[in-house]
Amino acid sequence: DAGVIQSPRHEVTEMGQEVTLRCKPISGHDYLFWYRQTMMQGLELLVYFNNKAVMDDSGMPKDRFSAKMPNASFSTLKIQPSEPRDSAVYFCASSFGIGVTDTQYFGPGTRLTVL
Amino acid sequence: AQKVTQAQTEISVVEKEDVTLDCVYETRDTTYYLFWYKQPPSGELVFLIRRNSFDEQNEISGRYSWNFQKSTSSFNFTITASQVVDSAVYFCALSFTGGGNKLTFGTGTQLKVEL
Repeated sequence: DAGVIQSPRHEVTEMGQEVTLRCKPISGHDYLFWYRQTMMQGLELLVYFNNKAVMDDSGMPKDRFSAKMPNASFSTLKIQPSEPRDSAVYFCASSFGIGVTDTQYFGPGTRLTVL
Repeated sequence: AQKVTQAQTEISVVEKEDVTLDCVYETRDTTYYLFWYKQPPSGELVFLIRRNSFDEQNEISGRYSWNFQKSTSSFNFTITASQVVDSAVYFCALSFTGGGNKLTFGTGTQLKVEL
């Protein structure tokens, strides 16, 4: 079975540009998570979905970040306008549910560089 | 509040040595889950193990073993006879049922295994 798929794997953009990161969760997984990894903050949860609905976006800067899940097999994380401090690796993860058997499986990540 | 502490920032060992990675957690919840993930140089996050708070049995998987002790709030990870391929950053993480399966990660331990 395919794991979590993320695209692009690498993105270089200039400050002020719009950036869209994409994620396809594992088929059948109802939960989808977006994390950001930086040297300073480590791994931090930005937002997560359950059955396409946002459950918690308290970790996401609302002024420039937006996350959507239009269907069960696709999610986007958009940054507009991008800033150099957004440079990080963005991971998408999915899980079947929130019970004891529900491990989060991560995608390969998107390395974003904002110049 | 949930917190995971990995006090060892970096560990260097020579191949075939045993190495233990420490993880100490804090939570007020009685039902919670502990995880270890591996991040090799290629960057992806690989799930290694999940443990729930009611199961204190140690687990062994090949050269990997985990020691969960609720009395000391620790969930340590030992690699026996380390190999160069074990070189990676290892993250300990915590989630709890009431938190919607959100993961709180430690800062990671960089393990370097040299010949």
